[in-house]
Amino acid sequence: AQSVSQHNHHVILSEAASLELGCNYSYGGTVNLFWYVQYPGQHLQLLLKYFSGDPLVKGIKGFEAEFIKSKFSFNLRKPSVQWSDTAEYFCAVGSGGGADGLTFGKGTHLIIQP
Amino acid sequence: DTGVSQDPRHKITKRGQNVTFRCDPISEHNRLYWYRQTLGQGPEFLTYFQNEAQLEKSRLLSDRFSAERPKGSFSTLEIQRTEQGDSAMYLCASSHPLTGRAVYEQFFGPGTRLTVL
Repeated sequence: AQSVSQHNHHVILSEAASLELGCNYSYGGTVNLFWYVQYPGQHLQLLLKYFSGDPLVKGIKGFEAEFIKSKFSFNLRKPSVQWSDTAEYFCAVGSGGGADGLTFGKGTHLIIQP
Repeated sequence: DTGVSQDPRHKITKRGQNVTFRCDPISEHNRLYWYRQTLGQGPEFLTYFQNEAQLEKSRLLSDRFSAERPKGSFSTLEIQRTEQGDSAMYLCASSHPLTGRAVYEQFFGPGTRLTVL
């Protein structure tokens, strides 16, 4: 069975600070990895995804994530956060090229203080 | 709006009543997913369809839950004899293989928030 662990449930940062949100997964096969974001009052949106190839993937709004297979990790990073990055962030794992149901972590609530 | 739409957005019902939610996927998306999200948790997978065929059901989907996608377009999720523990946000997502690749990207709708009194 797949599982996803997000270590930080609440993170508070000041604008321009660097961000790293941890995500570890458990799955024995070929995984597809995702980060979704949910801004206040909005629905889930895909930030970035990893299927294969370069383990460093870049997403929208300056976010990136690195897939480290040996550590079963897919941490999300952004060098300089903005107030508008305040949101809930979810890491998810899937299989079958993302065609199957995804397994999500519990989420990290990120608050950026101006 | 060409995104995934869900109706209703909010539903309040009394325990024991039946409720039905509708999801309209992005046009031509052949896969449709249902998830449930409770407060402080990430979405939990319930079931998914490829066209009209229901391919997988989570063990979370008890006998009181049933989902259909009769014509391979919109889908309905029905909960019979609702319980207070069914209170949650019910999310729908759809996907289609990326051009020339066997990989999918799921697009989520706004959800239906169910409150069972």
